[in-house]
Amino acid sequence: GAVVSQHPSRVICKSGTSVKIECRSLDFQATTMFWYRQFPKKSLMLMATSNEGSKATYEQGVEKDKFLINHASLTLSTLTVTSAHPEDSSFYICSARDGTVARVYGYTFGSGTRLTVV
Amino acid sequence: GDSVTQMEGPVTLSEEAFLTINCTYTATGYPSLFWYVQYPGEGLQLLLKATKADDKGSNKGFEATYRKETTSFHLEKGSVQVSDSAVYFCALINAGGTSYGKLTFGQGTILTVHP
Repeated sequence: GAVVSQHPSRVICKSGTSVKIECRSLDFQATTMFWYRQFPKKSLMLMATSNEGSKATYEQGVEKDKFLINHASLTLSTLTVTSAHPEDSSFYICSARDGTVARVYGYTFGSGTRLTVV
Repeated sequence: GDSVTQMEGPVTLSEEAFLTINCTYTATGYPSLFWYVQYPGEGLQLLLKATKADDKGSNKGFEATYRKETTSFHLEKGSVQVSDSAVYFCALINAGGTSYGKLTFGQGTILTVHP
């Protein structure tokens, strides 16, 4: 089945630095990838939708200059948290969509990245 | 817009108890419905799905039936195990409307099963 690899699984960084999270589709071409943020004991909040070769579409209230998304190929999307602050500490999850089959099979999720900003 | 509402949690059960997690939705057209499971510290895994009315999705002893008349997709399992402890998310994808292609989630239900 479809596999999405997300890396790193855990990262601790100092306040003011930037962190990059990678999301790769391993056995299919992901025309669209989504980035979510999950707070403790809360549901997933969609941050942005990235389409290969075009600018990401950000949800209302998400700072595009702080959360930089790049989807340079059909198998790789990256989320960069710039000038991270402790309030950016969270669990970030990516998911990938394989063309039109998403309606039948849903989306495939990465294993998530636990970001801690100290 | 589309929305998914799940029963409030957390749900705490003893091993071998019967489980029901209610899920109702609001959507235009004919959405596909999903249940995802998230184990501690991990991403989401697809548990089961249904793409049209009266379809029953099933996996690992879990079942859910797509009820268009009641706009519901309740998750059930006859006998839960400690290993079923996780967060369960009901979700939908709508092929039409302004939410096209987006996965809309419920708020999640924490399930804890005790031995």
